[in-house]
Amino acid sequence: EAGVAQSPRYKIIEKRQSVAFWCNPISGHATLYWYQQILGQGPKLLIQFQNNGVVDDSQLPKDRFSAERLKGVDSTLKIQPAKLEDSAVYLCASREGRVSPYEQYFGPGTRLTVT
Amino acid sequence: DAKTTQPNSMESNEEEPVHLPCNHSTISGTDYIHWYRQLPSQGPEYVIHGLTSNVNNRMASLAIAEDRKSSTLILHRATLRDAAVYYCILRDPIIQGAQKLVFGQGTRLTINP
Repeated sequence: EAGVAQSPRYKIIEKRQSVAFWCNPISGHATLYWYQQILGQGPKLLIQFQNNGVVDDSQLPKDRFSAERLKGVDSTLKIQPAKLEDSAVYLCASREGRVSPYEQYFGPGTRLTVT
Repeated sequence: DAKTTQPNSMESNEEEPVHLPCNHSTISGTDYIHWYRQLPSQGPEYVIHGLTSNVNNRMASLAIAEDRKSSTLILHRATLRDAAVYYCILRDPIIQGAQKLVFGQGTRLTINP
């Protein structure tokens, strides 16, 4: 079974520029998560989708971050404009929800450096 | 969010058992205890979870205290590939249906050859 795919793996941008990350979850997984992991810290949930609807975006900085999951499959996370403090690894995860309701599968992440 | 407390780091030797502790004194009755680990330069991966009874799977065992205020992840025979940051996580009690995981700092496990 293919895992969660993310691209790009690395991105370097200057502050105030825009950037977008892409995630393809495991086939059939209805729930999709985006996490932000700052160096030395554990991942922090930014947004959770159930199919193509948002379940929880309480920690998403909505003035600069946006995310969508069209057709309930792939998802994109955008930052516009980026700040220095957005430098982090952005992790996508998905969950099947029925057979394995508690297990989240994570992708390799996208490492963002804002200069 | 119910909090967990883990040691920042632990060290063990290859082929020896490892016991990773986690304290969660404010756990609620319906919180599940999850363990994930994150190998270097990878996303976290699920290890095990439990509610009240001890649990075993191919990766590890989870021992849960009778009062549920602490738990221990047991790696029976550590290998170099087990070197990772281990996270003990309680499922968010506020949003029961959202399966939200709140990660702490975790324990960085070093395995010596």
